[in-house]
Amino acid sequence: DGGITQSPKYLFRKEGQNVTLSCEQNLNHDAMYWYRQDPGQGLRLIYYSQIVNDFQKGDIAEGYSVSREKKESFPLTVTSAQKNPTAFYLCASRLNGNSNQPQHFGDGTRLSIL
Amino acid sequence: GQQVMQIPQYQHVQEGEDFTTYCNSSTTLSNIQWYKQRPGGHPVFLIQLVKSGEVKKQKRLTFQFGEAKKNSSLHITATQTTDVGTYFCAGPLRAGNMLTFGGGTRLMVKP
Repeated sequence: DGGITQSPKYLFRKEGQNVTLSCEQNLNHDAMYWYRQDPGQGLRLIYYSQIVNDFQKGDIAEGYSVSREKKESFPLTVTSAQKNPTAFYLCASRLNGNSNQPQHFGDGTRLSIL
Repeated sequence: GQQVMQIPQYQHVQEGEDFTTYCNSSTTLSNIQWYKQRPGGHPVFLIQLVKSGEVKKQKRLTFQFGEAKKNSSLHITATQTTDVGTYFCAGPLRAGNMLTFGGGTRLMVKP
């Protein structure tokens, strides 16, 4: 969706390295989400933030960290503790975390191990 | 934990054949949403169903919400190669209406 920008599109991580995936939205949405998608699989929730300066762990938060210092930005750091980081990472946002509004997704970042 | 299950996981069809994917929830849903992800792309919202027994159509796509609001289906009539992709259902199973996605059904269409 045009309102959510993820960068970079492709990212390579060396062993022991932390990498940060960017997610920016100009939709004025309160809620933002990070998902991991492995080949041929569904979406697994890593972290989510219902409002600025607050975030919660999802189902697979180990080895990841996030921050939500600004409403429009929700970066995800894949730390060296994440031993199998190769996946497609999707950022999404929604108008209000408690609403039934649909989620809008960015184009994703493909992360691979060098 | 509460889950959303989708079947089948994969479906190969000949162009022109019909296709149906089914979504089942472990609990009653206030609404259900459907998304489509093209190969190499990101999920895109298709539709939301709210009422028990609701049926909505988008051209060749028919979406249905079960009477008990625990299951849903997506039916595509006369598939085309442009229908290729993975179809996900999602329902608010967590606190605060957080969405839980099904595992998706990957549709492949042979021309």
